[in-house]
Parts: sequence; C-alpha cells; structure tokens
Amino acid sequence: RKEVEQDPGPFNVPEGATVAFNCTYSNSASQSFFWYRQDCRKEPKLLMSVYSSGNEDGRFTAQLNRASQYISLLIRDSKLSDSATYLCVVNGYGNKLVFGAGTILRVKS
Amino acid sequence: EAQVTQNPRYLITVTGKKLTVTCSQNMNHEYMSWYRQDPGLGLRQIYYSMNVEVTDKGDVPEGYKVSRKEKRNFPLILESPSPNQTSLYFCASSISTGGLETQYFGPGTRLLVL
Repeated sequence: RKEVEQDPGPFNVPEGATVAFNCTYSNSASQSFFWYRQDCRKEPKLLMSVYSSGNEDGRFTAQLNRASQYISLLIRDSKLSDSATYLCVVNGYGNKLVFGAGTILRVKS
Repeated sequence: EAQVTQNPRYLITVTGKKLTVTCSQNMNHEYMSWYRQDPGLGLRQIYYSMNVEVTDKGDVPEGYKVSRKEKRNFPLILESPSPNQTSLYFCASSISTGGLETQYFGPGTRLLVL
C-alpha cells in the first residue's frame, strides 16, 4: 500500500461548482499535512497546510480525519484558474514528507 | 526575491556523460532536497540535506550524488546517466533542519537521457 494515495482524476467540473478531493495516508503517527498545487509541469507550490481542527482560506477548506486517516480539500465556486493538479503531502514513515501522485482538476466554462 | 533556482532548465544528454544540475536558494534555509517526478508516481525524494556537509539518501538515490559545501547550494550529480533517469527534477528548500515545513521548489529541470 502506498503511504499516500489520491484519486488521480481527472475531475471535470463547470465553473462555479463545488468539488472535493480526498487523500488517504497509511502512517497513523503523521503530524504534518499539506495541500500543494502544481500547474502543468511547473513547480509545486503550497496551497495550504491542514490543521487538526480544519481550516479555511477563501474558497478552499481543508479537513483532517485522523480516525480514518485521510485529509480532504474542498473548493467552492470553482474558477477556470483552479485547473491544476493538487498534491497531498504527509509526513510518512521515517519522518519525511511523502507526496501523493496528485489529483487533476479541470474547470470548464 | 526569495527563490530557489535551478540550472539548466532543460537538458538532453547521452548515456554515460556526466552531468551536474545546480540548485541554489537565497532564503538561508537549512534543509534542501532533490526530487524526481514521473507520471503516475508523484514526487520521489532522491537525496536531502539537513545542514552543510550533512546529506542523506532519500527513496531513490541510486545513480545520483549530491554535496552540500555551502548552505545555499545543493548540486545534483549524475556520474553516468542512463535512460531511466529521464525525468523532471525539482530542488526544494525548507526553513528548518527537519524539512517538515513548507517546501519551496525550484522551477524544475527536464532531463532527457538518450
């Protein structure tokens, strides 16, 4: 089983839609959780950290479910500019960051 | 401007011809690392460094070398490149030695080994 797993998608949604991605992780001792955004073959950039109580940044909401070992990212009112690959990142075994393979989002007009 | 730079951005080479990809950061970060990204596999860590003169293997170190003689620089060396090292490479830095905080990535180096 991979340490971090994501649905590769693609998720094709219309502008204005709400879309959610989940990411499961295998290390129950993980403490650091992030969502990164990567535009086509460019460098990943931090979208947001994920805190135990959940956190929101504008149209983006991140949640952590420790019992089921997954994190989620919710995007409301999708924009064309949200089209990208979203990478789930968790500190795995060996206390190093492990990147998921990414979920592709395509927002269409 | 705070940034991580990599050079070259694109490289085509032949099997066995030694090459070096440079990486430099101007944020005084302690932690630096190299990743490769291949379709469907995500980012995989090659090597990392928690401080000057301290380097360690990541998940896929075979065929690569690194050095950290100065805090700002972390070059990646392929002594004898092979076609299976064709990939997109990213250098990243992070503020503290543990490397579990925000990773700042360079723009990437696309390598093709013929």
